[in-house]
Amino acid sequence: EAGVVQSPRYKIIEKKQPVAFWCNPISGHNTLYWYLQNLGQGPELLIRYENEEAVDDSQLPKDRFSAERLKGVDSTLKIQPAELGDSAVYLCASSLSGEGSEQFFGPGTRLTVL
Amino acid sequence: QQQVKQSPQSLIVQKGGISIINCAYENTAFDYFPWYQQFPGKGPALLIAIRPDVSEKKEGRFTISFNKSAKQFSLHIMDSQPGDSATYFCAATGSYNTDKLIFGTGTRLQVFP
Repeated sequence: EAGVVQSPRYKIIEKKQPVAFWCNPISGHNTLYWYLQNLGQGPELLIRYENEEAVDDSQLPKDRFSAERLKGVDSTLKIQPAELGDSAVYLCASSLSGEGSEQFFGPGTRLTVL
Repeated sequence: QQQVKQSPQSLIVQKGGISIINCAYENTAFDYFPWYQQFPGKGPALLIAIRPDVSEKKEGRFTISFNKSAKQFSLHIMDSQPGDSATYFCAATGSYNTDKLIFGTGTRLQVFP
């Protein structure tokens, strides 16, 4: 069974440029998460989707970050414009709906902003 | 109150030794405590998890010890192997907040032969 797929794996951009990350969750998983992982830190939730609906985006910096999950499957996370402090690993995870369902993480996209 | 404090930041253990990682939390509404293992270039993967109705859970060489009154929990890796070298994260969540995982800061474990 394929796991969570993310692309690109690495991205290097200059500050003020836009960037987008793509995530394909495990088939059948209705819940999708985007996490930010800074170097030497644990992941921090940015946004959580139940199907197409964003049910928790309280930690998403909405002035520059946006996300969408059209048709309740794939998702994209966008940053526009990127800042130096956005350099980090962006992780996507998915799970079945329901309390206590295990979250399966993708390999992440490592973003470097120069 | 939403934080999970993890220690040590790094740990070096000889092959065959016991690795112990500790975590502490404040929010008594947390009711699910998973541990994740992350290898370089990979996403975290669930290793073992516990709920507060038990004080210990064992899966193979991995054991979680849970102290509800002290609001602490720990991961014990018995007979540590070089293949266990990775970063370990504790986390906590509660059904009250739709299972939003709060992660610790991670422990980098190195097991030498």
